[in-house]
Amino acid sequence: QQQVKQSPQSLIVQKGGISIINCAYENTAFDYFPWYQQFPGKGPALLIAIRPDVSEKKEGRFTISFNKSAKQFSLHIMDSQPGDSATYFCAAGGQGFSFIFGKGTRLLVKP
Amino acid sequence: GAVVSQHPSWVICKSGTSVKIECRSLDFQATTMFWYRQFPKQSLMLMATSNEGSKATYEQGVEKDKFLINHASLTLSTLTVTSAHPEDSSFYICSAEGPRTDTQYFGPGTRLTVL
Repeated sequence: QQQVKQSPQSLIVQKGGISIINCAYENTAFDYFPWYQQFPGKGPALLIAIRPDVSEKKEGRFTISFNKSAKQFSLHIMDSQPGDSATYFCAAGGQGFSFIFGKGTRLLVKP
Repeated sequence: GAVVSQHPSWVICKSGTSVKIECRSLDFQATTMFWYRQFPKQSLMLMATSNEGSKATYEQGVEKDKFLINHASLTLSTLTVTSAHPEDSSFYICSAEGPRTDTQYFGPGTRLTVL
């Protein structure tokens, strides 16, 4: 009940394309869903986060879509750029919960 | 805002020695800090949750006597790897619960290599 399943494990997208990463959680008590971006040898950086009271949140080229009934949320990266090539982690958490991280998605954006 | 630093960024030590890693929240106070370990190409594994002024809460399977955590102030938590061995070599990352609760801000990580 504490797992967060993330897919795909790796993703290759052409420059300008849309990158889509999906996550599914089990514990309905989670109420905070962040996405982190990590470059090799660096710590994860908070990219964007959403709470269950909205179904979508957009910040620049990054959009989170949230489906509460399906217990799923996804990250969409529009107009993907080579500089977006990194590992992306979804997480689920909230008040009283430590973050549960997905296993990560290695994104490669080809020029 | 919400910057977290770690020191050192990398360290090489001999087997049997102890290594201390510092985690600081630079522009906010963090009641709660977290310590993670990350193996190459893998996800973050939570080691312990550190609350200012109290004992850390360790995750199952993490040796509290080996990984000593101290959270002495609202801006500093330390992780000491005692009697380090080669299998302790890893990337250690801290995070701090941000100005708005629920959000975690991560440090840049510390690469530990034990020879």
